[in-house]
Amino acid sequence: GENVEQHPSTLSVQEGDSAVIKCTYSDSASNYFPWYKQELGKGPQLIIDIRSNVGEKKDQRIAVTLNKTAKHFSLHITETQPEDSAVYFCAASTSGNQFYFGTGTSLTVIP
Amino acid sequence: NAGVMQNPRHLVRRRGQEARLRCSPMKGHSHVYWYRQLPEEGLKFMVYLQKENIIDESGMPKERFSAEFPKEGPSILRIQQVVRGDSAAYFCASSPGPDRTQYFGPGTRLLVL
Repeated sequence: GENVEQHPSTLSVQEGDSAVIKCTYSDSASNYFPWYKQELGKGPQLIIDIRSNVGEKKDQRIAVTLNKTAKHFSLHITETQPEDSAVYFCAASTSGNQFYFGTGTSLTVIP
Repeated sequence: NAGVMQNPRHLVRRRGQEARLRCSPMKGHSHVYWYRQLPEEGLKFMVYLQKENIIDESGMPKERFSAEFPKEGPSILRIQQVVRGDSAAYFCASSPGPDRTQYFGPGTRLLVL
């Protein structure tokens, strides 16, 4: 089955700096890659997603890049704010049914 | 514009009891997924259901766990004879169809004493 690895497990940045979280996947058939933000005590919230037919997608301060050849994808958050502090999960899917999640990155934005 | 709803939000059970977790999908969504999250870990897929059908239960433990999504009412994840290792957060997600974005509920946090 699919194996998704996520790095780093923890990340601290100064407010205003950029944050980058990287994920790799093993199954070349994976074609959908969502990113979720999870705040303490809450469910994961979708923040951005990308399909394998595009290499990059941007939504305001958040962007995702995908390298199908290398089988890795990354989340980029620019101009970070304290409210960006949360745990971020990447996921990969082949069939759209099962999502395989990374182990999460705890992001802390220091004011 | 209600999102995915789960109840209860917190559930405490003693070993050997039954736990019933409920999930109401977003309006217009007929596909439901259940995931389990252990402390400081990612979410692990358990089961995928459509109305009255189990589509994929490859992530579900073979014993004590069952899931249903009846024609009327919420999806139910049932855990019989709970053990301490069942303590986790259980999340439900829904989507309008296969291969579509999944939207998650707030989760049910199960604690087995």
